[in-house]
Amino acid sequence: QITLKESGPTQVKPTQTLTLTCTFSGFSLTSDGVGVGWIRQPPGKALEWLSLIYWDDDKRYSPSLRSRLTITKDTSKNQVVLTMTDMDPVDTATYYCAHTRKYFNNWFDSWGQGTLVTVSS
Amino acid sequence: IMLTQSPATLSLSPGDRATLSCRASQSVSFYLAWYQQKPGQAPRLLIYDASNRATGIPARFSGSGSGTDFTLTISSLEPEDFAVYYCQQRSHWPTFGQGTRLEIK
Repeated sequence: QITLKESGPTQVKPTQTLTLTCTFSGFSLTSDGVGVGWIRQPPGKALEWLSLIYWDDDKRYSPSLRSRLTITKDTSKNQVVLTMTDMDPVDTATYYCAHTRKYFNNWFDSWGQGTLVTVSS
Repeated sequence: IMLTQSPATLSLSPGDRATLSCRASQSVSFYLAWYQQKPGQAPRLLIYDASNRATGIPARFSGSGSGTDFTLTISSLEPEDFAVYYCQQRSHWPTFGQGTRLEIK
């Protein structure tokens, strides 16, 4: 059974850097084709894909946010970390991590429960 | 690639047939998925590659289409089907539609 859980601060101030951790079980990020992605959702709004990291350390970023995002993985801890710099109130959202497989056309087939991050001074 | 979903809101009754639309700004071949999201929950994958049901998804959910026009059909609505539905494409980078809210009439 695949499970993912996001953790990190519930509130950050404008201009600060956000660091979110996705801790997962039920799969290994060393297995061929496996990936973990980050998706966010502002309150009452649609989903927005942010970033993706694969088992081979291939990393992908949303073009509109690329300059602010960094994704890394720690396979020994079964964790993926996303950092987002220069936070702004418009970045207030629920942040989800999700499991994907490159050979499954990268659909997000298992999701964490999400963590709400509020950006406010 | 932009995805436009219609209608924004669909008001139906249990037992009705629901038809949700997703249109892509350019061809995505069959690389389209549908997700269901209930209040306070994460999205759940329903349909992938335009027409394949994900594991555990009831047969009343079906997907069709290719290129730029896609449809999610729920053949007979159950009370638990009232939720928001998103389509997603994966060409170049993933993008989502703005969602269709399926509400009880």
